[in-house]
Amino acid sequence: GAVVSQHPSWVICKSGTSVKIECRSLDFQATTMFWYRQFPKQSLMLMATSNEGSKATYEQGVEKDKFLINHASLTLSTLTVTSAHPEDSSFYICSARVGQETQYFGPGTRLLVL
Amino acid sequence: EDKVVQSPLSLVVHEGDTVTLNCSYEVTNFRSLLWYKQEKKAPTFLFMLTSSGIEKKSGRLSSILDKKELFSILNITATQTGDSAVYLCAVAYSGAGSYQLTFGKGTKLSVIP
Repeated sequence: GAVVSQHPSWVICKSGTSVKIECRSLDFQATTMFWYRQFPKQSLMLMATSNEGSKATYEQGVEKDKFLINHASLTLSTLTVTSAHPEDSSFYICSARVGQETQYFGPGTRLLVL
Repeated sequence: EDKVVQSPLSLVVHEGDTVTLNCSYEVTNFRSLLWYKQEKKAPTFLFMLTSSGIEKKSGRLSSILDKKELFSILNITATQTGDSAVYLCAVAYSGAGSYQLTFGKGTKLSVIP
């Protein structure tokens, strides 16, 4: 149980384009999902908390207009990187909260912006 | 200021060795401490600890929490090359009225044959 999927696994795009990443909880409903970013050899940095049916809560320094989050259903949250630039290249990971504190992570999406 | 500090940052051992990874934290409104293993992709859940002194065990891995001294250890006995990974410690706490999870920088474990 508690399987989280992400799509796509890899994406390469041109600078200025937008990229959408999907995060799905496959065998459970998740009212709260999280989006993280991880740069090489660094730990996970929380970008935003996504709550089903309401606006996402963004961490300080994360531009909400650039990283659009939509949690349209109890099993799906999407992150759209708008007008992507090379500095947005990173490993994006979503997680879903199960129970009180445990988070289960998706396999991650590697984004490379040329 | 780091809320979750892991040590060592990197560790190289031979197969069969026993290792201890450390995680100290400093947060208010502590809820739980979680250990994850990260190989090439996203982290996989290992343990969640909420109470002091109760050891959680899964095969060769075990972990314990000390809420008085604000730290946790993750032990791996009889290490295998498949244990090579980055081990992440995360602390869940209540901040600004909501649930927060903060990760340490991780300990990179390399097990050599």
